Amino acid sequence: DIQMTQSPSSLSASVGDRVTITCRASQSISSYLNWYQQKPGKAPKLLIYAASSLQSGAPSRFSGSGSGTDFTLTISSLQPEDFATYYCQQSYTTPRTFGQGTKVEIK
Amino acid sequence: EVQLVQSGAEVKKPGESLRISCKASGYSFTSYWITWVRQMPGKGLEWMGRIDPSDSYTNYSPSFQGHVTISADKSISTAYLQWSSLKASDTAMYYCARTTSGSYQHFDYWGQGTLVTVSS
Repeated sequence: DIQMTQSPSSLSASVGDRVTITCRASQSISSYLNWYQQKPGKAPKLLIYAASSLQSGAPSRFSGSGSGTDFTLTISSLQPEDFATYYCQQSYTTPRTFGQGTKVEIK
Repeated sequence: EVQLVQSGAEVKKPGESLRISCKASGYSFTSYWITWVRQMPGKGLEWMGRIDPSDSYTNYSPSFQGHVTISADKSISTAYLQWSSLKASDTAMYYCARTTSGSYQHFDYWGQGTLVTVSS
């Protein structure tokens, strides 16, 4: 199985901050990388697919980059509604695998 | 409007069987795979497996193969996840998700989740 490792596991940030979350795959996955946001008690929501494509309806302050084994999710200016847990997920091969999650908390 | 509506919370005893459902609407059910994802209490997301509703072809994660069965009834646009003998360790939230086809697959719509509690 392809292992997905996110860093950091958690972070504290203030409204307006620029936030970057990284995801590393245990082998090359080209651009087969998706990002999801999950708020407490809610289902995950797709933000970014194919490493850098913004899902319809997702705010433009979210962006994704990377290919191969190293990827980043960037929130350009953190908003109150962005405090949540973020997961990366590879769609290069089955079984699909997720990172362990990054919890973004209020500083 | 695309919707995936899952069945309600369940409380079961170890050894009991269970089937939970995911009813799709607002799109052609046979044009997208359905994936099931587990989230144990306070933990991350785990891919369990998926089904192509057009022909009921399935893929399972090795971690879940043999312990769960994924099925679908295209006549009523509903996918299922079932257990024949539950364990306490099956206690979790289970999500279904619509899965895009072709390259760069992703889970673009999710159900609200079904909480399964297994306790003696």
